[in-house]
Amino acid sequence: SYELTQPPSVSVSPGQTASITCSGDKLGDKYVCWYQQQPGQSPVLVMYQDSKRPSGIPERFSGSKSGNTVTLTISGTQAMDEADYYCQAWDSRGVVFGGGTKLTVL
Amino acid sequence: QVQLVESGGGLVKPGRSLRLSCAASGFTFSDYYMSWIRQAPGKGLEWVSYIGDSGSIYYADSVKGRFTISRDNAKNSLYLQMNSLRDEDTAVYYCVRVGDVSGWFDPWGQGTLVTVSA
Repeated sequence: SYELTQPPSVSVSPGQTASITCSGDKLGDKYVCWYQQQPGQSPVLVMYQDSKRPSGIPERFSGSKSGNTVTLTISGTQAMDEADYYCQAWDSRGVVFGGGTKLTVL
Repeated sequence: QVQLVESGGGLVKPGRSLRLSCAASGFTFSDYYMSWIRQAPGKGLEWVSYIGDSGSIYYADSVKGRFTISRDNAKNSLYLQMNSLRDEDTAVYYCVRVGDVSGWFDPWGQGTLVTVSA
């Protein structure tokens, strides 16, 4: 089955840049989305089609792709950005999510 | 505004059945693919099923043959019939709108907890 690989955790200091990666076989041929999930809350879409930001998502969130790795970048990270982040893509058998990355702002 | 409200969760014994419902509002329900996604306690997100606007249906291997997704466009409602429930089906189940064919999931409902336990 298709798999997306994310680092389990990423730490960043307030005001610095956080980068969360997502890799998978032939991911360069697929669109990737990113979701943010705050503790006890439902996930929220923060990026779609690799690098498009939904309305209402702050400009400090950006997305990029290089080869088979997609990166969610948070510039000027704020304490409110501390959350779990999941990447997601579609393959021939349905939908796949990465295992999630816990972003800690400290 | 777009709203998705799930209901029907609860405690159920292994092998039994449960039916989840999702009431949609704030958009033309019939125009969109819809999906169920679940999250076991303390775990990540797992896609369960989706249904197209004209009825095309796909399931994750983990639920194929046991779960049935359906929709009633006249009632703006999405359903998930869950049969032969297992302990590993314990999770919060989210109703989610699909933004585009093979696209993004947005928004998500608040979720309904299904607990499978003897």
